[in-house]
Amino acid sequence: EAGVAQSPRYKIIEKRQSVAFWCNPISGHATLYWYQQILGQGPKLLIQFQNNGVVDDSQLPKDRFSAERLKGVDSTLKIQPAKLEDSAVYLCASSLAAQSGTDTQYFGPGTRLTVL
Amino acid sequence: GDSVTQMEGPVTLSEEAFLTINCTYTATGYPSLFWYVQYPGEGLQLLLKATKADDKGSNKGFEATYRKETTSFHLEKGSVQVSDSAVYFCALDNFNKFYFGSGTKLNVKP
Repeated sequence: EAGVAQSPRYKIIEKRQSVAFWCNPISGHATLYWYQQILGQGPKLLIQFQNNGVVDDSQLPKDRFSAERLKGVDSTLKIQPAKLEDSAVYLCASSLAAQSGTDTQYFGPGTRLTVL
Repeated sequence: GDSVTQMEGPVTLSEEAFLTINCTYTATGYPSLFWYVQYPGEGLQLLLKATKADDKGSNKGFEATYRKETTSFHLEKGSVQVSDSAVYFCALDNFNKFYFGSGTKLNVKP
C-alpha cells in the first residue's frame, strides 16, 4: 500500500514570503495530522483533521499558518508570511480513525523548510 | 500541561551491547504511550506502544513497559545491532492530543 506522500521535499524561501505544503494521506485514512519538527526537537502537533473537519488546532499559529482538507483526502498547509523561526521539517501523518491510543499514525517523509 | 522527557543523546554503543533509553511523562488521566523510530533518511515509524498501566510493548527485540507508578516508559533492547542506529522518540496520546519527546540519537558501532 502506498504511504503518506508529501511535496515538496525541500523548500528554501526568504522571510516574509509565502509557502505551501501538500500532503496525500494513505487511502481510506480519516484522520490527518500536520506536525512541525524543529531541529533537535520532537514533532509538535499543529493541526489535526478528522475527514474534512478540524479536531485540534490549538497549537497552530493562526496569524500566519493555515491548513485545509477540503474533500477529506489531501491537505495543504500554508505559511504567510514566513519568519526565520519557521525553519523546520513539516511532517504529515495519517491514521485510520481518531480513536485515542488505538490507532497507528503513519508519517510521510516530511518537507524541510529553510527560511532565509 | 502534558509532556514527555527523554534522555539526551547521542548514545553510542558497541554491537551486542544492552540498550536503555529513558522516557518519563507528565499527563492527566491515562495516556497511551509510544516509541517511534526514525532511521537515517526515512520518516518516523511506530516501533511499539502500550495503552494501559503494566502493558509491555515489544517489536524487533525492543521492549518498553508502561509504569504508571514512576510515570515511565523506558525503551530496552538486550543486544543492539548496527542497523538499530536511528533517532528514537517517546510519545504520548492523551485524549487524542499527541506529545513527542525531543528524541534520542543512537549510534551503534560494529
